[in-house]
Amino acid sequence: EVQLVESGGGLVQPGGSLKVSCAASGFTFSGFAIHWVRQASGKGLEWVGRIRSKANAYATAYGASVKGRFTISRDDSKNMAYLQMNSLKTEDTAIYYCASYDILTGYSLWGQGTLVTVSS
Amino acid sequence: QTVVTQEPSLTVSPGGTVTLTCASSTGAVTSGYYPNWFQQKPGQAPTSLIYSTSNKYSWTPARFSGSLLGGKGALTLSDVQPEDEADYYCLLFYGGVQPWVFGGGTKLTVL
Repeated sequence: EVQLVESGGGLVQPGGSLKVSCAASGFTFSGFAIHWVRQASGKGLEWVGRIRSKANAYATAYGASVKGRFTISRDDSKNMAYLQMNSLKTEDTAIYYCASYDILTGYSLWGQGTLVTVSS
Repeated sequence: QTVVTQEPSLTVSPGGTVTLTCASSTGAVTSGYYPNWFQQKPGQAPTSLIYSTSNKYSWTPARFSGSLLGGKGALTLSDVQPEDEADYYCLLFYGGVQPWVFGGGTKLTVL
């Protein structure tokens, strides 16, 4: 089955760290960029960041609100992408989605999301 | 900081036509911004509708179309159905340090 599945969400204290994962199956994962998007409860979508494919040197980019605190990585041998979140703030509380992207096919696949709650 | 602006809410009657727009604080939206459109219903992950201005996915209903209109990205829904009631988001590409920025979303009510 062609899908993306996020995991690893949970409750973390302010200032803490958490790593969420995105597992891909059913398609050529290595050929796509992986984007992370988040949504706080009752709010709109926010672009978090992306990692490009090996052909594009695994280039990463981040949204202004997470730059310097979040790091995106991938392991093509495992069909996995990761979002490492450090120095977490209460405003990082959100559902985190991963999505595959290619300029020729767009955002062709989304995961179901994983909830990250930052609270003391 | 770059801001992408959408109508906060729109209402349309069943069978009607409605156009949602996506404006950039940097100026006119062109094809180089690769406008993307997404639909999201309550409690669900977003669904991709349009990429690179006007390209549809295999699952995108024919009544949805994307274009550039008056310096903005646009999503037009024709023959609107009750199931089209949802939140709609646009996403623009800027390149550089923060390549992609979402609009604030449009809540579409079918009434």
